[in-house]
This record gives sequence, structure tokens and C-alpha cells, in this order.
Amino acid sequence: ETGVTQTPRHLVMGMTNKKSLKCEQHLGHNAMYWYKQSAKKPLELMFVYNFKEQTENNSVPSRFSPECPNSSHLFLHLHTLQPEDSALYLCASSQGPGTSGTDTQYFGPGTRLTVL
Amino acid sequence: QKEVEQDPGPLSVPEGAIVSLNCTYSNSAFQYFMWYRQYSRKGPELLMYTYSSGNKEDGRFTAQVDKSSKYISLFIRDSQPSDSATYLCAMIRGAQKLVFGQGTRLTINP
Repeated sequence: ETGVTQTPRHLVMGMTNKKSLKCEQHLGHNAMYWYKQSAKKPLELMFVYNFKEQTENNSVPSRFSPECPNSSHLFLHLHTLQPEDSALYLCASSQGPGTSGTDTQYFGPGTRLTVL
Repeated sequence: QKEVEQDPGPLSVPEGAIVSLNCTYSNSAFQYFMWYRQYSRKGPELLMYTYSSGNKEDGRFTAQVDKSSKYISLFIRDSQPSDSATYLCAMIRGAQKLVFGQGTRLTINP
């Protein structure tokens, strides 16, 4: 596997279900991100992790719970979601703090989430 | 007002045409300016980034930044059907906060 991978690629869940999205980066990066991409809206940054520590929570509802056990893996735990949470959830990684120049973010293919 | 404005299109042009994609922004704190390309069912991939005002060229792609007007552009020369995708402008505020435009869906017709 190369780059940033995400599983599952598609997920359908009911509002009472609990599910998790997984992201893995194979780039040796120290920063990982979750984004939400809804139809007709810009990508929205949700969370940022640097060296496994959460450094940004962009006012995300608590029904989304991130977990970063190490610099290569990132999870997004989902519970009691709403239909409006249906979107493409993208994971990204970058070198992280201390990078000279721009800290380029590399994206995974995303998980297409549908909440019924 | 959105921090970054981008016409969502769709934009449809014939093969070989020059394509111009644009974004405007309101926050003078933005430092780096990027263009991402996103194919259907894929994540965004970085095409180009620029820091200062002026032009940057990479093959058939030219990125242009005008900080005084808060306006950035991406030009595609000799457009190909394989260029059909959604193009996202993005800007960095602070260390890691990428702020995206809505994306412009582009179709190149053979």
C-alpha cells in the first residue's frame, strides 16, 4: 500500500448505529487530518493531529470522535449520526510542524457515508 | 462572506481549449495558495502551489496569484479529456489550516 488509504470506501448506517472509519498513511508523516466534503460545499477541516496529539477541533459535534493511536493511523468513531452527516469523509496527512516551506497535505480516497 | 469564493461551474470546453479557473479570497493572512485536482471517487491531489504574487508554470498548467486583488487563477493549456475533474483552490492560514473553495467541475469534450 502506498500513500493514504481509507476503509471502508462506502458505509451506510442508521442513526442509532456505531461505526468507525479508518485511515492509514504510509508516508512517514507526523500530522493527520479529517475533512468532511458535502455536496455543493467546500471541504471542511474537522480535526488535526500532530504527533498523535489533537491540536485542532473545528467545533465538530461530539457524535464524531477521533482517535489517533500512532502517527500512521487515524480513526473516526461515529455514533447517533444525523442524515445531514451524510458526506465524503477524507483523511489527509502531512509532514507536520517544523516543515520548511508549505506543509503539503496528501489525501486518501475518502469514505462515502450515508446516514439513513 | 466566505473566506474563499470559487464558481462551482460546471464548466465545459472543447479539447485543446485554454481553461481559466479562478478564486477570490478575503483574508490577507493567507500565505500559500494551492490548486488541487479531484477525480470522481478519489481524494484531492495537489497540482501546484505558490507563495508570492506572480506566475508559476508546470507543463500545461500555470498558477497565477495577485495578492493585491486577492485573486488566484489556474490556466490549463491544450486541455485534454483526462483533465476533466473538479479543481479546488485552497489557501493556508496559519501553520496547517487549509481553507478550500467550493471547487469547479470541469469537463473537456473530445
